Amino acid sequence: SAVISQKPSRDICQRGTSLTIQCQVDSQVTMMFWYRQQPGQSLTLIATANQGSEATYESGFVIDKFPISRPNLTFSTLTVSNMSPEDSSIYLCSVGSSIQETQYFGPGTRLLVL
Amino acid sequence: QKEVEQDPGPLSVPEGAIVSLNCTYSNSAFQYFMWYRQYSRKGPELLMYTYSSGNKEDGRFTAQVDKSSKYISLFIRDSQPSDSATYLCAMSGGGGKLIFGQGTELSVKP
Repeated sequence: SAVISQKPSRDICQRGTSLTIQCQVDSQVTMMFWYRQQPGQSLTLIATANQGSEATYESGFVIDKFPISRPNLTFSTLTVSNMSPEDSSIYLCSVGSSIQETQYFGPGTRLLVL
Repeated sequence: QKEVEQDPGPLSVPEGAIVSLNCTYSNSAFQYFMWYRQYSRKGPELLMYTYSSGNKEDGRFTAQVDKSSKYISLFIRDSQPSDSATYLCAMSGGGGKLIFGQGTELSVKP
């Protein structure tokens, strides 16, 4: 199984600022995914990031708010821009596994926006 | 209407009880069905995986998929305090995109 790490593990930020979350995988993977898990809610896919191409965003998420980089096959970043308290959430990255359609998840980044 | 509906719980049971967790879905294109377990302050981990309909057993865990009713279940036998976690159902029609249920918080009391 893939080992995924995320930085930071948690942060408290002021509204109007931006935070970049890093996701590192211990093996090369084609697809990486970014999710948001709001308090009491399920995981919602923000975007899919493939190395060498623009990220594909889900309905309700836009690149200006959540820019994503994917510089190589083991690393990705998600930036939460111009944050508001509504952005307080857990942000998770994941990668596909050898079992079709399943994913391994990172530990998450817990973000609180004041 | 959400694509995937999951009984929200929370659910509290005594140690040794049989636990039943359920999800319903509306998209008939879903072919891949999963259960993830998420401990507090951790990321979800894959617990069970089923392709199409049928049952799958792994130790104390049994996953069932009934595509005709658009209904999936996870059964936990002889539940243990270490099973206390949030259980998330997830589904996919292919292409790598997972749709998750809301999650059921389970507490197993010693």
